[in-house]
Amino acid sequence: NAGVTQTPKFQVLKTGQSMTLQCAQDMNHNSMYWYRQDPGMGLRLIYYSASEGTTDKGEVPNGYNVSRLNKREFSLRLESAAPSQTSVYFCASKPLDNQPQHFGDGTRLSIL
Amino acid sequence: KQEVTQIPAALSVPEGENLVLNCSFTDSAIYNLQWFRQDPGKGLTSLLLIQSSQREQTSGRLNASLDKSSGRSTLYIAASQPGDSATYLCAVRPTSSASKIIFGSGTRLSIRP
Repeated sequence: NAGVTQTPKFQVLKTGQSMTLQCAQDMNHNSMYWYRQDPGMGLRLIYYSASEGTTDKGEVPNGYNVSRLNKREFSLRLESAAPSQTSVYFCASKPLDNQPQHFGDGTRLSIL
Repeated sequence: KQEVTQIPAALSVPEGENLVLNCSFTDSAIYNLQWFRQDPGKGLTSLLLIQSSQREQTSGRLNASLDKSSGRSTLYIAASQPGDSATYLCAVRPTSSASKIIFGSGTRLSIRP
């Protein structure tokens, strides 16, 4: 089982560039999430999608946009990258309300 | 605002010891609490999920307890092994949120052979 797949695994951008982080899950899960993880700060929720066709802001949404393309795919877009967005980004999915989330291996993003 | 704290940030113990990792949260209105493991360069793997009505959950050498009234959870690891070396994170789901969970910053555990 592939589980949750994130692409790319690594990326270096220049300030002001844009890019989209891709996430796909093959477990038929309803909910999907995007987090960022910074040293000493745990994971913080950027956006989530409770079901196909819906998206909601999390704790730190500024500077990001998301698209729930279909049930499998949930993408995160940085329109104009800033050095403060240097982080490790994790995508997760969850089947039902009271079940644990399943995580991808992350995208390590550096913005110069 | 719910805050989740894990102290210490790092812990090193010799192989074979039993150990306890701590997690505290500021608001007792939680739906559940989870413990995750994160290996370097990898995502998170769920270890145990405790519902608010439960006191503990066990899986193999792991036992997690929950005391909502005091805002505390512990993860007990018995007979530690070098393969247990990883970062352990706890996360709570507030009752006020259907989807959001709030993470602690983790404890980096190192088991010395």
